[in-house]
Amino acid sequence: DTAVSQTPKYLVTQMGNDKSIKCEQNLGHDTMYWYKQDSKKFLKIMFSYNNKELIINETVPNRFSPKSPDKAHLNLHINSLELGDSAVYFCASMAAGGLGYTFGSGTRLTVV
Amino acid sequence: GENVEQHPSTLSVQEGDSAVIKCTYSDSASNYFPWYKQELGKRPQLIIDIRSNVGEKKDQRIAVTLNKTAKHFSLHITETQPEDSAVYFCAASKGLRQGNLIFGKGTKLSVKP
Repeated sequence: DTAVSQTPKYLVTQMGNDKSIKCEQNLGHDTMYWYKQDSKKFLKIMFSYNNKELIINETVPNRFSPKSPDKAHLNLHINSLELGDSAVYFCASMAAGGLGYTFGSGTRLTVV
Repeated sequence: GENVEQHPSTLSVQEGDSAVIKCTYSDSASNYFPWYKQELGKRPQLIIDIRSNVGEKKDQRIAVTLNKTAKHFSLHITETQPEDSAVYFCAASKGLRQGNLIFGKGTKLSVKP
């Protein structure tokens, strides 16, 4: 009964490919996020969705696009993958009270 | 926007000693300050948090202090154990609809037996 689940856990792909990472939460939370953790462990926010509305869109390349079919899902689609996209991507969700995140287990993306 | 600075980047202590990690934030509107622990290859997990209306919070061997005037907050771990070894992240947010957490760059804590 994982609260926030991401698939796949590992993703190895070639430059130029298009890939998607899926995230689902069963906590009934209102807001979901995508964070990128680089090789230096820095956690940087990429996107957030609140009730299917994009409310934060940090300065990430437009090759990255979040898609939320419903409140429980926030998928990340990446076009034309580049070497610099290699990182661990974490999905997270937050309850309406706005205090504390629950993170998914992460997706390690390796672009070769 | 908010900027969170965290120090030190690495910290090594002997088992049983105390460890202190310090963070500063730039946005005086921030009102929520959580700390996350990330073990190798795992997800960040919330270990303690503090709101801006209190100055200190304690949970067993872990405590957090907040100085709103100086805009800094600290994590204190007493009687450290080898299983405390991990990367610790501080974060700040304005809560509610502005709840996106801005993280510090992390502190790698090593507890030597």
